[in-house]
Amino acid sequence: AQTVTQSQPEMSVQEAETVTLSCTYDTSESDYYLFWYKQPPSRQMILVIRQEAYKQQNATENRFSVNFQKAAKSFSLKISDSQLGDAAMYFCAYRKARGAGSYQLTFGKGTKLSVIP
Amino acid sequence: KAGVTQTPRYLIKTRGQQVTLSCSPISGHRSVSWYQQTPGQGLQFLFEYFSETQRNKGNFPGRFSGRQFSNSRSEMNVSTLELGDSALYLCASSLGGGRDNEQFFGPGTRLTVL
Repeated sequence: AQTVTQSQPEMSVQEAETVTLSCTYDTSESDYYLFWYKQPPSRQMILVIRQEAYKQQNATENRFSVNFQKAAKSFSLKISDSQLGDAAMYFCAYRKARGAGSYQLTFGKGTKLSVIP
Repeated sequence: KAGVTQTPRYLIKTRGQQVTLSCSPISGHRSVSWYQQTPGQGLQFLFEYFSETQRNKGNFPGRFSGRQFSNSRSEMNVSTLELGDSALYLCASSLGGGRDNEQFFGPGTRLTVL
């Protein structure tokens, strides 16, 4: 079974600074997707960034980038120039790319990010 | 394009009752997945439906069931409610075919069991 581990239950960052959220996962699959989702308080979960395992290049979306280390099964999220609106729970998630269970997301426990003005 | 909608947004029930939650996916999406979110267990997958067929089921007791209609709207039902069923229930929709399917989440239904 796949597992996703986020070892940092809470983190804080000064506004305009950079923060990195950690995620490790365990799978025997070679073809899969990894995601970071953001869930602001009392608001909808939204996709921040995703990475396809067969792509070596790290994904980037504006101020958000990932460091994907496939051999180490590590998938960290870097937020640059942190803004107050970045404060939220961040979930790392995994999904198989094909076969049974490929439409099921497995989530980590989440990291609560606070942004200090 | 309208997003994923879930009704009701909040629900209070007592132990032993049953409850039905509804999810309307984004227009054109044929896959609907359900997740339970609790402080203790985090986000756990319940089941996924595609074209009215359950394709995938998580590790939940038989009290949790679901279905999908021909218009892709989905309902989940929980019978004989227990205190531990108190949670935020999220649904997510996607196109459902092929390997590249982003899931879009609804706002959730907050269920409280007293």
